[in-house]
Order: sequence, then C-alpha cells, then structure tokens
Amino acid sequence: EDKVVQSPLSLVVHEGDTVTLNCSYEVTNFRSLLWYKQEKKAPTFLFMLTSSGIEKKSGRLSSILDKKELFSILNITATQTGDSAVYLCAVENSWGKFQFGAGTQVVVTP
Amino acid sequence: SQTIHQWPATLVQPVGSPLSLECTVEGTSNPNLYWYRQAAGRGLQLLFYSVGIGQISSEVPQNLSASRPQDRQFILSSKKLLLSDSGFYLCAWSVRLWGRGRKDTQYFGPGTRLTVL
Repeated sequence: EDKVVQSPLSLVVHEGDTVTLNCSYEVTNFRSLLWYKQEKKAPTFLFMLTSSGIEKKSGRLSSILDKKELFSILNITATQTGDSAVYLCAVENSWGKFQFGAGTQVVVTP
Repeated sequence: SQTIHQWPATLVQPVGSPLSLECTVEGTSNPNLYWYRQAAGRGLQLLFYSVGIGQISSEVPQNLSASRPQDRQFILSSKKLLLSDSGFYLCAWSVRLWGRGRKDTQYFGPGTRLTVL
C-alpha cells in the first residue's frame, strides 16, 4: 500500500526564519511528487517533482526530490506570516492515483 | 484555461438524509477526476477516482458512491448520511500533458464543507 509520511506535523517559527519540511514515501510505480499549500480552503499547487536532484524554485520556496532515498524537502526562506498554512505532500503512481500525507502545519509569528 | 467548479460551498444536512455533490471541469477533455475528503485537522483521504465516463474506482468502503455521467462531470452521492460523513469534500482533476517534459499534475476545486447533524 502506498504511504506518505510528513514531518514535522506542526511547527511554529518567527518571521524571517527558514523552514524545512520533510516528506518520505513508499509507492509502487512512482510517477511524481507534489507539494500543496492549504489555508482555510482548497489546496493550491506549489511544485511537481519527477526527477531526482533538480531543485524547483518559486520565490522564497524551493523543493527537491531524492528518488533513491524516497523523500522530498520543501524549504521556505525568510518566512512571512502569509506563509502560515498546512503544507501537503502527495505522491502519484503510474495509474494516476494520488496518496497524500497528513500535512505539516506551519505557523509564522510576527 | 482550465477551471473546476464545485457546489454547494457549504452544506448542513441531518443524519439519514441523502447527499449529492457536483463537480464540473471546464477547458479540458478526458480528465482524470477525484473525490477526496478531509476531516478537521487531517490529511486528504482519496474516496473515488475516475479515468473516464462510467469508470469509477472506490478506495474506501463507505456509504458514499460516485458517478461520472459525462466526461467533465463527477458526482458524489449518499442515500443516508452518517455523522462521520462530516468533512471538507474536494474534487480534483488531472490530465496528462506530454511534450517539453510536462507530465501530470493535479488541481483542486474550491471544496464543499459538509456538516452532518
């Protein structure tokens, strides 16, 4: 059975800190790994990763995938209060099915 | 551009009542469609997914059912709601895009917050 484990489950940081979120997975026939940001509504797409070692960046957010060790990290630098959200990791198999982790709740305090 | 609609946004239903949630996608054809449920403070649980009209895969045994009467329409139903059916229901779509290295990704609709009392 496909499995996605995110850590930590929650963390509180001060504005300006750097945050690193972890996602480890076990999946049959891996196709992609996705990161989402969820505030009090539907998740919004951040990154899709398919290849190891290639960093994806969007502003202060970046992510990288290690297909050998079966994990991904999401980094947020110079955090702002608007980064407060639940960050979800999901893996997709070759049949188009997605398995989500429980999420990491990030709280950024002023 | 592609958009995904869900309605209603919020729903309060008594235990034992029926349910019908609708999801439609615009701007694409033959998408994969998904229904997820998210309980408060929890991750997303895949309920159903569909790769085509009339093709539904059920992931979790429950009192819910799904149907796909048209290519871009996905309906989640129940004949009798339980208290445990409360949650945030999300419809999502994905489509394969080949060329220039682009592959599948998945986008969510706005969600329906269901409370069963």
